[in-house]
Amino acid sequence: EVQLVESGGGLVQPGGSLRLSCSASGFTFSSYAMHWVRQAPGKGLEYVSVINSNGGSTYYSDSVKGRFTISRDNSKNTVYLQMSSLRAEDTAVYHCTKRVYCSGGSCYGFDPWGQGTLVTVSS
Amino acid sequence: DIQLTQSPSFLSASVGDRVTITCRASQGISSSLAWYQHKPGKAPKLLIYTASTLQSGVPSRFSGSGSGTEFTLTISSLQPEDFATYYCQQLNSYPFTFGPGTKVDIK
Repeated sequence: EVQLVESGGGLVQPGGSLRLSCSASGFTFSSYAMHWVRQAPGKGLEYVSVINSNGGSTYYSDSVKGRFTISRDNSKNTVYLQMSSLRAEDTAVYHCTKRVYCSGGSCYGFDPWGQGTLVTVSS
Repeated sequence: DIQLTQSPSFLSASVGDRVTITCRASQGISSSLAWYQHKPGKAPKLLIYTASTLQSGVPSRFSGSGSGTEFTLTISSLQPEDFATYYCQQLNSYPFTFGPGTKVDIK
C-alpha cells in the first residue's frame, strides 16, 4: 500500500523554526518528485513547495520563499520541510503528496496524500 | 501564477441529485487539471486526474470533462458520503494552484 505519513508539527512561537518530515512507503520513492500542500484553518488548499526526484531542483511559493527549505533523503524514503521565521499565517495542516501513478504519459493529479501534521504559530 | 475560480462556491443538494461544479483557469492549461474531495480531518482524495480520468477506486458517478480554461466535475447521483468540499487544481505550471473550493451540503 502506498502511504505517506507526516510528523513534526506542533506549537511554535512567531519567528521560530520547525522541521516537518514525511515518510513514504509502498512505492519507489526515488522516482517521484515530492510536494507539500497546506490548509490554514477555515481556508482552502495552498501549494507550498516541491523537490524533484534526486533533490537537485526545488520550487517554493512566494508566501514561503526564503523562509522554508525542502529537502529529501532517498535512502530513508523521507522528504523534509524546514520552516523558519514562522508567522501566524503559517498556521496550517501540512500535507505531503506525490503525482498519481498512471501508465504512459503525464499524470496530472496528486495521490496519495498524507493525513497531515498541524503547525500552530502563536505566542 | 495561474488563477482558478470555481462555481458555485456553495451548493445545497439532495441525495440522488445531479451536481455539476465548474472550474475556470485564468489561462489555458490543456488537460492539466485534477479534482479532489476533501472532508474535515481527512486527507484530500483524488477523484479525477488529467481532467477526465477517473482515479482507481472512485465510484463511476463521478466524472470530469473540459480542456483549456473550462472544466467540470459532475456527480451523476449524489450519495450521502459525497457531502464534502471539492477542489480543482492545475498542474500545468508552478505553483500548482487550487481553486477556492465548492462546499456541497445537504438540502
